[in-house]
This record gives sequence, C-alpha cells and structure tokens, in this order.
Amino acid sequence: GAVVSQHPSWVICKSGTSVKIECRSLDFQATTMFWYRQFPKQSLMLMATSNEGSKATYEQGVEKDKFLINHASLTLSTLTVTSAHPEDSSFYICSADQGASYNEQFFGPGTRLTVL
Amino acid sequence: AQRVTQPEKLLSVFKGAPVELKCNYSYSGSPELFWYVQYSRQRLQLLLRHISRESIKGFTADLNKGETSFHLKKPFAQEEDSAMYYCALRRGSTLGRLYFGRGTQLTVWP
Repeated sequence: GAVVSQHPSWVICKSGTSVKIECRSLDFQATTMFWYRQFPKQSLMLMATSNEGSKATYEQGVEKDKFLINHASLTLSTLTVTSAHPEDSSFYICSADQGASYNEQFFGPGTRLTVL
Repeated sequence: AQRVTQPEKLLSVFKGAPVELKCNYSYSGSPELFWYVQYSRQRLQLLLRHISRESIKGFTADLNKGETSFHLKKPFAQEEDSAMYYCALRRGSTLGRLYFGRGTQLTVWP
C-alpha cells in the first residue's frame, strides 16, 4: 500500500516557540491531505483539510493563525504550530488521499509534540 | 449533518469467543463506511470498507441501511486482535474527509 511519512516523530519544545511538522506521501501524489489531532485513548479530531496549491480548510474551533498549513506540492504538506503552549501538546497525525477510484486515505505514523 | 457512534469505549473478550464492535451512523445521503484499526504504537490503518464486501483478518462488516449500522464482527477473536478500532464515514465515494467515531478499545484475553 501507499506510504505516508511524518517528520519528526516526536518533538519537545519550549513554550512560545514554533514547531513545523512535515507530512509526505512517499510513493503517490496526494491532492488532498488531512491533519488530525489525537488525545490519549481518544478519537481523531480533524483540524484541517489541505489542498495542494490552495488555502487549507479549517474545522470550526481550530485557529488558522496558530496552526499554519502549507501544501506546496503534491507530496508534501506542513503543519506549523506557532507560539506553542503546553495545551498544544498532543499527537498530530496526517493522512493523504490517494485520489484514485475507490480511493483510500493513508495515515502517517504521527508526531508527538510536547510543549514545556 | 453526519455522525458516527461507537457506543462501547472498551470491549473485552476471551480468545476464541465471538466479538462484535458496534457502529451506528447518521447521514441522509449514501455514505461510504470504513473500519480502521490502530495497534499499539502503530499507525492507523484501514481494516475494511463496506464497498469491498470482503473479510480481512477474519473480520467482516455489513452495511445495514435500515438500521444505519456497520458493525464489525469476528467469530473467533485472537489475542493479536487487541487494538483500537475506529468506525468512519465518508460522504459518497468521492474525495473527502472521514468522520470518525470515538473508537472502541478491544482487548482479547488469553
């Protein structure tokens, strides 16, 4: 199956700094990528839908100025958590839609963000 | 609006016992339903989708439009089935976001 990678797999940062998380589709082109946030033993909460070459669509309640998403190419989307605070600590997961018939979303392994 | 409900947060069975993870949905159109599984320390992966009508790792799920359900079943649970299971819905067979249920943690005891 198709592979989606995320980098870094974990990051620890100080409060007030910005952190960038990369999501790459390794062997296919993804017109659409999705960013989720997952709390321990809870479901995935969609944060935003990222379309290549256009502005991301954010879910209600997600601050677009805090969670900057860039989808500059068909294989790369980035999520930047700006001025991170401890409450932003979470597991961030991306997925990429393969876009073919009977298309399937492939998920990255996730990035554990800890803000001190 | 659409909604996916997984009523059980936790489910425990003994090895060899049948298991059923419940999923109900609400959506006025024709949904596409999925089951995703997340094993410990692994990424979320697709287990099966209703349009494929196939059995994966012994699991099956039938879309019941009358009851708006998509329950996941396996006749004989194995220890390696222990994982977090998420039911998800997509509106139609097109590109688009998935709507996830809250997930059910399945534990299969030896």
